[in-house]
Amino acid sequence: EDKVVQSPLSLVVHEGDTVTLNCSYEVTNFRSLLWYKQEKKAPTFLFMLTSSGIEKKSGRLSSILDKKELSSILNITATQTGDSAIYLCACARIPYDKVIFGPGTSLSVIP
Amino acid sequence: GAVVSQHPSWVICKSGTSVKIECRSLDFQATTMFWYRQFPKQSLMLMATSNEGSKATYEQGVEKDKFLINHASLTLSTLTVTSAHPEDSSFYICSAKREVNIQYFGAGTRLSVL
Repeated sequence: EDKVVQSPLSLVVHEGDTVTLNCSYEVTNFRSLLWYKQEKKAPTFLFMLTSSGIEKKSGRLSSILDKKELSSILNITATQTGDSAIYLCACARIPYDKVIFGPGTSLSVIP
Repeated sequence: GAVVSQHPSWVICKSGTSVKIECRSLDFQATTMFWYRQFPKQSLMLMATSNEGSKATYEQGVEKDKFLINHASLTLSTLTVTSAHPEDSSFYICSAKREVNIQYFGAGTRLSVL
């Protein structure tokens, strides 16, 4: 059965810290890995990773995929309270039918 | 990014009534939309995949007659919770697929069944 695992499930850091969130997967016919940020309502799209070893970056957030290790990391540098959210990792398959979501990492950034 | 509108954002209903939730893609056409359910502090649980012009594909354990899905146009999918009961109270989120692999989410609907 396909599955996506995230760790840690919960994390509390101080403003300014750097955090690394982990995602590993066992997905047949893997196509791509996606990261979403969910605050109070709908998840918002962060990154889509298809190729191994190519870092995607957006401001203080960056992510990279390792297809050999079947994993991805999401880094957030110089964290701010506004980064507090649940970060969801998801995998899409070939052919595209649905994405499989991980349980999420709940990040709390305290002043 | 793409915009997906979901309505209503919050609904309270009496047990036994039906509730309809709408999901619209505002600036793109979506042949495929998805309906999720989310319990507090848990991840998204896919309920069904909605394809324009055809029957929805339901995940295992999701009652088709309970959760009716209609995808009548390329910009609208609806989820109707029929004969709602308190155990159906939850947060329901829709999404629409635009580019390959990327889903854009609506703001969600919080359903409370009394």
